[in-house]
Amino acid sequence: NAGVTQTPKFRILKIGQSMTLQCTQDMNHNYMYWYRQDPGMGLKLIYYSVGAGITDKGEVPNGYNVSRSTTEDFPLRLELAAPSQTSVYFCASRAARLEKLFFGSGTQLSVL
Amino acid sequence: AQSVTQLGSHVSVSEGALVLLRCNYSSSVPPYLFWYVQYPNQGLQLLLKYTTGATLVKGINGFEAEFKKSETSFHLTKPSAHMSDAAEYFCAVSDLMNTGFQKLVFGTGTRLLVSP
Repeated sequence: NAGVTQTPKFRILKIGQSMTLQCTQDMNHNYMYWYRQDPGMGLKLIYYSVGAGITDKGEVPNGYNVSRSTTEDFPLRLELAAPSQTSVYFCASRAARLEKLFFGSGTQLSVL
Repeated sequence: AQSVTQLGSHVSVSEGALVLLRCNYSSSVPPYLFWYVQYPNQGLQLLLKYTTGATLVKGINGFEAEFKKSETSFHLTKPSAHMSDAAEYFCAVSDLMNTGFQKLVFGTGTRLLVSP
């Protein structure tokens, strides 16, 4: 089992550019999440999905978009990148409420 | 809304010493509490969780945590630190959003440093 796979691992963007962070899981989990991690701030929830075709905003959704066309994939789209989006992004999934979260290894994004 | 506070952004111990990482929670309902660990350049992994039942929870790698309602605490302990325990540790509480969805609210993390 690969678990949760994120690509790319590192990326540098210029202000105003766009990109998609890819996330795929092979555990048939319904619940998927995108978090961002900033130094000293813990993890903040950006978007989440409870199944294919169902997504909703988390705590910090501005500047991001998501889609969930299949159970396996949950890409995160950054439109018009800004320096404030410099962060480490984690995708996670879990089978059900209160079950453990499985995390990907993260994407380190710098916007310059 | 539920929240957690982790006391101490860094904790240093010697190998073989007791590890104590502090977490206090704020919750208007019986909380569901978690400890996650993050090794360098990796995602978070679940160490242990408390939902209901026994207040002393045992997790992986010899860690345990005790839910104390009277103190609103969920401190993480390990009797004897190993070098491999050096990592960042996050306390988290489950919070119910307006949509009915339960999310995890994470603390700011405590970096554990283990010296020989």
